[in-house]
Amino acid sequence: QKEVEQDPGPLSVPEGAIVSLNCTYSNSAFQYFMWYRQYSRKGPELLMYTYSSGNKEDGRFTAQVDKSSKYISLFIRDSQPSDSATYLCARREGTGKLIFGQGTTLQVKP
Amino acid sequence: DAGITQSPRHKVTETGTPVTLRCHQTENHRYMYWYRQDPGHGLRLIHYSYGVKDTDKGEVSDGYSVSRSKTEDFLLTLESATSSQTSVYFCAISESMGFPQLPNQPQHFGDGTRLSIL
Repeated sequence: QKEVEQDPGPLSVPEGAIVSLNCTYSNSAFQYFMWYRQYSRKGPELLMYTYSSGNKEDGRFTAQVDKSSKYISLFIRDSQPSDSATYLCARREGTGKLIFGQGTTLQVKP
Repeated sequence: DAGITQSPRHKVTETGTPVTLRCHQTENHRYMYWYRQDPGHGLRLIHYSYGVKDTDKGEVSDGYSVSRSKTEDFLLTLESATSSQTSVYFCAISESMGFPQLPNQPQHFGDGTRLSIL
């Protein structure tokens, strides 16, 4: 079992839809999580990070962590074609090393 | 931009040849990382460095070596490239607020090197 599991998709939604991206993790030792966005042929770009259960909001993006079920989510409100990218979740260890999920490819259609 | 330059951006080479990839940062960050990205596997850590001449192995270090003689440069070497090392390689850097590194410093990535080994 991978430490961080993520459905690779692809996920296709119409413009304006609410998008839900999800990951599960298996190791509870260190619970610091990040979401990265990666456009084609570019490096991952940090979107959000969170260290606790509950929600963290930044504009149209909300990150949610549920420690009891070992589930992390990223919600995108009012999705735009410019949101089309691959979204990577990651768990961060104490040394700073990141354990990534496979990434979910999102396409937002105009 | 996070001030990370990877070179070369693209490289095609033959099996058995040595290959060196370079990561250069202008941020003076302590931590530097090398990842590879492959379909179905996401990003996997190869090696990382927590200071000049201080390096450690990651999840998929076999067949790779690294060196860091200056804060700003982190080199990844494939001593004898194999076709299984065809991949996209990303360098990342991370701020540090002293030692040990605090957990709330995000990693920032370069734009990658596409390496094909024929």
